[in-house]
Amino acid sequence: AQTVTQSQPEMSVQEAETVTLSCTYDTSESDYYLFWYKQPPSRQMILVIRQEAYKQQNATENRFSVNFQKAAKSFSLKISDSQLGDAAMYFCAYRSASMDSNYQLIWGAGTKLIIKP
Amino acid sequence: AAGVIQSPRHLIKEKRETATLKCYPIPRHDTVYWYQQGPGQDPQFLISFYEKMQSDKGSIPDRFSAQQFSDYHSELNMSSLELGDSALYFCASSQRQGITYEQYFGPGTRLTVT
Repeated sequence: AQTVTQSQPEMSVQEAETVTLSCTYDTSESDYYLFWYKQPPSRQMILVIRQEAYKQQNATENRFSVNFQKAAKSFSLKISDSQLGDAAMYFCAYRSASMDSNYQLIWGAGTKLIIKP
Repeated sequence: AAGVIQSPRHLIKEKRETATLKCYPIPRHDTVYWYQQGPGQDPQFLISFYEKMQSDKGSIPDRFSAQQFSDYHSELNMSSLELGDSALYFCASSQRQGITYEQYFGPGTRLTVT
């Protein structure tokens, strides 16, 4: 079974600085997808960025980028120029690409990101 | 762009009562997922539907049932409610024919059982 681990329960960063959130996962599959979701105090679950395992190039979305290390099974999220609106709980999630899978997301425990003004 | 709609947004019920949560997926999305998220926890998968058929079942109690209708909206029925059922219930939808199948979440229904 696949597992996702986020070892940082809480991180803090100064506004305008850069912060990296860690995520590792365990799987025997070769094809899968990885996601970072953001959950602000409103508790809306918002997709931040996604990465296809077959792609070597790291995904980027504006100030958000990932460092995907497939061999190490690591998928970290880098937030550049942190803004107050980035304060939220961040969840890392895994999804199998197998046609035999049920497509459910496997979630990490989350990292609470605090932005210091 | 249209998003996933959930109703009601807030619901207060007493123990042993019944609750029905509704989810309207993004148009042309054929798969619906239900998740339960307790305070300070990550979401727990309950059940999913693809093309109106149940496709997978997670940690859904036997007191709960769900279905997807012909218009693709889904309902989660919860009976004999317990205090421990108090949580945020998310519905998410995706399109299996899409390239990455990412799931888009609704705003959630906050259920409080007293």
